[in-house]
Amino acid sequence: GESVGLHLPTLSVQEGDNSIINCAYSNSASDYFIWYKQESGKGPQFIIDIRSNMDKRQGQRVTVLLNKTVKHLSLQIAATQPGDSAVYFCAENAGGTSYGKLTFGQGTILTVHP
Amino acid sequence: SAVISQKPSRDICQRGTSLTIQCQVDSQVTMMFWYRQQPGQSLTLIATANQGSEATYESGFVIDKFPISRPNLTFSTLTVSNMSPEDSSIYLCSVADRNSYGYTFGSGTRLTVV
Repeated sequence: GESVGLHLPTLSVQEGDNSIINCAYSNSASDYFIWYKQESGKGPQFIIDIRSNMDKRQGQRVTVLLNKTVKHLSLQIAATQPGDSAVYFCAENAGGTSYGKLTFGQGTILTVHP
Repeated sequence: SAVISQKPSRDICQRGTSLTIQCQVDSQVTMMFWYRQQPGQSLTLIATANQGSEATYESGFVIDKFPISRPNLTFSTLTVSNMSPEDSSIYLCSVADRNSYGYTFGSGTRLTVV
């Protein structure tokens, strides 16, 4: 079936660096994408989303970029902090009758060293 | 966004028994979903909990193994039946509300089957 995958399963950065987490998706019908952060023992926490009619969206310290041509999604975290250490998942939704049903990528473990 | 209370937060169960997980939302939501997250892995959608009708299951998941109830717009249960050690996972409830962005997740139920 359709799937969402990540290029890098682990990422280690120094505090203050910028982090970039990548995600490839395969369902060309997907029109809504979300990045989640999951800390140990917790459920996924919404970070930022983007719809397919956009190619960039910014939040507080985070930016999501969408390249529909190559079906690629990335999450940029500016000035990464130790509290950003977690597993990051991208997720996609195809909308329509699939509204609410998310397909998740494999996840990237981000470790921020002080 | 909606606030989800999921119970129990964790449990250790004997093989062959069943466990019912509850998901309570603080507001009426249109759609509720159940996901499974196996150890060290990503999230996989089990089913969509439909209010007043049978749940819709994803490929690989069946009603006999994962019966779901949704008696109203704020509550759902997932039962993991006739458990085996392979059922050891985190089970997560999620809601989609067209009045908010993203999809909110509960904190999950960490199930260990021995």
